[in-house]
Amino acid sequence: DVKVTQSSRYLVKRTGEKVFLECVQDMDHENMFWYRQDPGLGLRLIYFSYDVKMKEKGDIPEGYSVSREKKERFSLILESASTNQTSMYLCASSSDNQPQHFGDGTRLSIL
Amino acid sequence: AQSVTQPDIHITVSEGASLELRCNYSYGATPYLFWYVQSPGQGLQLLLKYFSGDTLVQGIKGFEAEFKRSQSSFNLRKPSVHWSDAAEYVCAVGAENTDKLIFGTGTRLQVFP
Repeated sequence: DVKVTQSSRYLVKRTGEKVFLECVQDMDHENMFWYRQDPGLGLRLIYFSYDVKMKEKGDIPEGYSVSREKKERFSLILESASTNQTSMYLCASSSDNQPQHFGDGTRLSIL
Repeated sequence: AQSVTQPDIHITVSEGASLELRCNYSYGATPYLFWYVQSPGQGLQLLLKYFSGDTLVQGIKGFEAEFKRSQSSFNLRKPSVHWSDAAEYVCAVGAENTDKLIFGTGTRLQVFP
């Protein structure tokens, strides 16, 4: 089975802090994704990556950056956290034209 | 523009009753279609997918879904619901591939004993 592991289930940070969310997959997938999930809005794509060191903006990239130095790891970075970034963050991975597999999510609170 | 609609925000059924969750999409060609289930505080687990071929697809946990091109729908069904099926169900659509997915806002299923 595909395993997508997000480093933290719950995280509390303060406004202005730099926040790192880590995601690791064990299936050698080329593609990795970061979403945020908010009530009534569904999942929205922040960034995705097709290969190591490759990244593309999704629908809501503002305030976020990403890093993919190794194939199995995809990091989401909040350069200066703000309260409107309080949300559930979901990482996913896939191989080409196959379904995306999701991690358990990180519930991030910015105080 | 591509879109996905799940008209029902919240559905309540009795255990043992049948279930149908609706998903409608807007896209000109045949899309890639998915149903995911999300338990509280968890990520999304793939229930089933449709790429092409037989329009009735079987998934895990006894779920099935039917692609109806004429209605632009991909409704999820289960003949007899179990209490453990209580969760959020999310429909997703991919237009040209499985990478750029559009997700519905989800339907929360509550099951009464």
